[in-house]
Amino acid sequence: QVQLQESGPGLVRPSETLSLICTVSGGSISSYYLTWVRQPPGKGLEWIGYVYSNNYTNYNPSLMSRVSMSIDTSKSQFSLRLSSVTAADTAVYYCARGDGGSYPSYYLDVWGKGTTVTVSS
Amino acid sequence: ERVMTQSPATLSVSLGERATLSCRASQSVSTNLAWYQQKPGQAPRLLIYGASTRATGIPARFSGSGSGTEFTLTISSLQSEDFAVYYCQQYNNWPPLTFGGGTKVEIK
Repeated sequence: QVQLQESGPGLVRPSETLSLICTVSGGSISSYYLTWVRQPPGKGLEWIGYVYSNNYTNYNPSLMSRVSMSIDTSKSQFSLRLSSVTAADTAVYYCARGDGGSYPSYYLDVWGKGTTVTVSS
Repeated sequence: ERVMTQSPATLSVSLGERATLSCRASQSVSTNLAWYQQKPGQAPRLLIYGASTRATGIPARFSGSGSGTEFTLTISSLQSEDFAVYYCQQYNNWPPLTFGGGTKVEIK
């Protein structure tokens, strides 16, 4: 079955850029909302945004000025970059697959295990 | 932005009892609502979408209902593996997708 796996540095310095990659195995990445969600310690879930297979992106307005996402279909990977990080960006970051049926259908049916990113000097 | 509010924050239930979790939307989201289960140290798992459709492999003791602004997730007879945090998520009006704050189901 489809599996997602996040990878990237676990520690990022304040003001620098957080970069994560999600590798998809066992299935296609076409026609899905390839999504990033984060969860600060002890808190709830926050949608960061998605990249589609045609490289179209859509971001949370609260993070839009600092976020970029891209996709590499040849490697079955998609990525997240979050610039100018602060301690408030410390969280578990999940990649997930969003069922991209007819709009507005968008629920997250497959998730990666998550990766912890700490912002600290 | 649709604000999702879940209640109660914590629900104490005995094994075998029924659990009823609520989710309210600040404005109508039709039936474009999903429920997720998250156990400690794990990623969320999709339980319900379309307000009432169980995802693949989800046991029948989980059921969802509601439309508009009021939704309910019911676990008919709690099993030990059901103790977790549950989140609702609307996908009627996005961006952004928005989640509720979660309900923790704990052992009474």
